Amino acid sequence: DIVMTQSPDSLAVSLGERATINCKSRQSVLYSSDNKNYLSWYQQKPGQPPKLLIYWASTRESGVPDRFSGSGSGTDFTLTISSLQAEDVAVYYCQQYFSSLLTFGGGTKVEIK
Amino acid sequence: QVQLQESGPGLVKPSETLSLTCTVSGGSIRSYYWSWIRQPPGKGLEWIGYIYYSGSTKYNPSLKSRVTMSVDTSKNQFSLKLSSVTAADTAVYYCARHQPPGDYYHMDVWGKGTTVTVSS
Repeated sequence: DIVMTQSPDSLAVSLGERATINCKSRQSVLYSSDNKNYLSWYQQKPGQPPKLLIYWASTRESGVPDRFSGSGSGTDFTLTISSLQAEDVAVYYCQQYFSSLLTFGGGTKVEIK
Repeated sequence: QVQLQESGPGLVKPSETLSLTCTVSGGSIRSYYWSWIRQPPGKGLEWIGYIYYSGSTKYNPSLKSRVTMSVDTSKNQFSLKLSSVTAADTAVYYCARHQPPGDYYHMDVWGKGTTVTVSS
């Protein structure tokens, strides 16, 4: 299995400030033949299913606000919320699909400071 | 737009088999991969496995000996069976669709989830 490790476990950010979430894979999820990183990010609000935010590490899903961005390559990835809004309070998960055995990170809880 | 709805018993006795169905509406089950994911209370997401509309499957090795997935294209449904359940299988169970068609990559549509409790 490809183990995905997220950090921090939780963070508190003031409204309008930047939130940064990290995700590290134990092995590279960059596929050399297409130069794509096989990684996605999800947002889960309390009592709701996860929602796809980002795929291919940096492609925003349709309808996702542009304050959400994904970056990184290989084994190290970042989800950035450029200006935190109240509605962004949630748990965020990374997930790799490089391996056919899919794995999620442990999640990062984002709260308002 | 495509919607997914999980259904099945909310309470299962220990050692019995958990059975859930995901109904796909607003689109066809054909050409896609479909996953089951679960989330124990207060914990993170665990991928259980996926099934292609043709019936081919891949399961999480940690659950493989107890999991069976099937698909019924005529009903636009796919199903999960998890045998010999224990309290550790208590969770919210989600079904989800993979993109793009024909691949098991990111999951763009999720059901609302159904809570399954294992208790006597």
